[in-house]
Amino acid sequence: QKEVEQDPGPLSVPEGAIVSLNCTYSNSAFQYFMWYRQYSRKGPELLMYTYSSGNKEDGRFTAQVDKSSKYISLFIRDSQPSDSATYLCAMRDYGQNFVFGPGTRLSVLP
Amino acid sequence: DGGITQSPKYLFRKEGQNVTLSCEQNLNHDAMYWYRQDPGQGLRLIYYSQIVNDFQKGDIAEGYSVSREKKESFPLTVTSAQKNPTAFYLCASSSPVDRVTYGYTFGSGTRLTVV
Repeated sequence: QKEVEQDPGPLSVPEGAIVSLNCTYSNSAFQYFMWYRQYSRKGPELLMYTYSSGNKEDGRFTAQVDKSSKYISLFIRDSQPSDSATYLCAMRDYGQNFVFGPGTRLSVLP
Repeated sequence: DGGITQSPKYLFRKEGQNVTLSCEQNLNHDAMYWYRQDPGQGLRLIYYSQIVNDFQKGDIAEGYSVSREKKESFPLTVTSAQKNPTAFYLCASSSPVDRVTYGYTFGSGTRLTVV
């Protein structure tokens, strides 16, 4: 089992849809959870960051962490064509272990 | 503007050649990292450096080498010993505080292709 697994996609949705992107993990030591957005042929950029369990909202984006289930989600409301990108979850423990998920490619169709 | 600059954007390597990928940052970050990205496999850590003149192997260091002579620069050499070098290479940096809360800042990447 990989340390972090992510819905493989690709995922295509119509403009305005609610998108749910998900990751599961196996290491209970992970405490910090991040979502990166990566446009084609570009480096990832940090989108959301959360510590431990709970929800965090930033505009159209909501990050959710359920440590008891080892499951994190990113919700995108009112999705736009500009949201079309690959989304990477990432997580780390208190030490040096920083792991990325393989990414989910999202296409939002106008 | 502060950031990380990777060059070149595209690089072609012949069999048996060594090539060097450049990574420069002006964020005053102490730590720098090299990742390799292949489709469906996520980011895999090649090397990282937390201070000048010191670096450590990551998960897939074989066939790669690095140097850290200046805080701003962390070049990666892909040697002929790397059997499957075609990939997208990403350089990243972080500061001790930011790494806890914000993870890494990434460059725009170099796409290396063996011809």
